Amino acid sequence: KAGVTQTPRYLIKTRGQQVTLSCSPISGHRSVSWYQQTPGQGLQFLFEYFSETQRNKGNFPGRFSGRQFSNSRSEMNVSTLELGDSALYLCASSTGLNEKLFFGSGTQLSVL
Amino acid sequence: DQQVKQNSPSLSVQEGRISILNCDYTNSMFDYFLWYKKYPAEGPTFLISISSIKDKNEDGRFTVFLNKSAKHLSLHIVPSQPGDSAVYFCAPYPPTSGTYKYIFGTGTRLKVLA
Repeated sequence: KAGVTQTPRYLIKTRGQQVTLSCSPISGHRSVSWYQQTPGQGLQFLFEYFSETQRNKGNFPGRFSGRQFSNSRSEMNVSTLELGDSALYLCASSTGLNEKLFFGSGTQLSVL
Repeated sequence: DQQVKQNSPSLSVQEGRISILNCDYTNSMFDYFLWYKKYPAEGPTFLISISSIKDKNEDGRFTVFLNKSAKHLSLHIVPSQPGDSAVYFCAPYPPTSGTYKYIFGTGTRLKVLA
């Protein structure tokens, strides 16, 4: 069974640009959630999608958005990038009916 | 409002000895607690969990203890091995998932010295 796949693995952007990250969940998983990891900040919850609907959202500005497709694949978009958006972005999938998350390897975003 | 705290950002332990990682939480509604382990440049992986109806759960070298009255849990690794060197996150979970904003502690970086 394939794991959670995130693309791209690394990304370098400049301030003001926008970026789209992709996440393919484990087959059969209907929930995809996104997290930002920065040094010393742990994992900060961005949002969660279940069956194409955003079920919950963390405390991030509106520049951070996401969506989920009918095949459960999800994308996360960050517009008007700021230097502070440099981070490891992780997505996780689950059945949506229990608590265990399966994470991808993440996308390392650097904003210059 | 930090609902989950891992007050030790880092911990160094000699190989073969016990590693104890702590986690404190404030919300008594949390029903289930998970520990994840994260290596550099990889996503976290599930390690062990405990339900609030138990006070201990063991899986091989890993044991998690839960003290509900103190809102405290700890992860024990015995014996510690160099491959255990990673960042460990504590993650509580409520009884219903519908509107949950997943919360993770800030993590404890464990270094096991050979």
